[in-house]
Amino acid sequence: SQQGEEDPQALSIQEGENATMNCSYKTSINNLQWYRQNSGRGLVHLILIRSNEREKHSGRLRVTLDTSKKSSSLLITASRAADTASYFCATDENTGFQKLVFGTGTRLLVSP
Amino acid sequence: NAGVTQTPKFQVLKTGQSMTLQCAQDMNHEYMSWYRQDPGMGLRLIHYSVGAGITDQGEVPNGYNVSRSTTEDFPLRLLSAAPSQTSVYFCASSQGVHNEQFFGPGTRLTVL
Repeated sequence: SQQGEEDPQALSIQEGENATMNCSYKTSINNLQWYRQNSGRGLVHLILIRSNEREKHSGRLRVTLDTSKKSSSLLITASRAADTASYFCATDENTGFQKLVFGTGTRLLVSP
Repeated sequence: NAGVTQTPKFQVLKTGQSMTLQCAQDMNHEYMSWYRQDPGMGLRLIHYSVGAGITDQGEVPNGYNVSRSTTEDFPLRLLSAAPSQTSVYFCASSQGVHNEQFFGPGTRLTVL
């Protein structure tokens, strides 16, 4: 079953605008990870946030985690056309099983 | 380092045929996994391995076999291909499930 559910499913913005994607999950987690996938390519890791962290930054990326609401958000600031991709959250479930569970993704289109 | 490599890139099979999707990594990672990606479904875990000789099932293991005889290789076998197995298959590796995953470029499989 899908653990993470991203919202929105698709997002279209102009260059220079900020893009926010949200991820909700169902069970207790060790960490939550965000990945990016360009069309027809493999996934690339963006950022990992642990369950005891609330916010993390990496360049133009900002990730927040609210374990009480079982949700996370990914903010891309000052977006560029090159940010056009699908973005996935993945949860490392705290169930004793060694597996990541991916959400269905948000398709981001950044227009010049 | 080549990272995670997958072969073949594309494959067309007839229903009932068998084949092996190859995955190799040169980063000495203990954890390896196989996912399938279908439109609108995100990535779903097929099988994973936490080290040589140790494998376990993911969300959608039926119709697939794996083995892990070496740290570097983690092949995925389709026993008797079915049209429902038409998908894009990704292999990933990491130091452990709690760490970032490195993905291969994928294999696009079509079963007629």
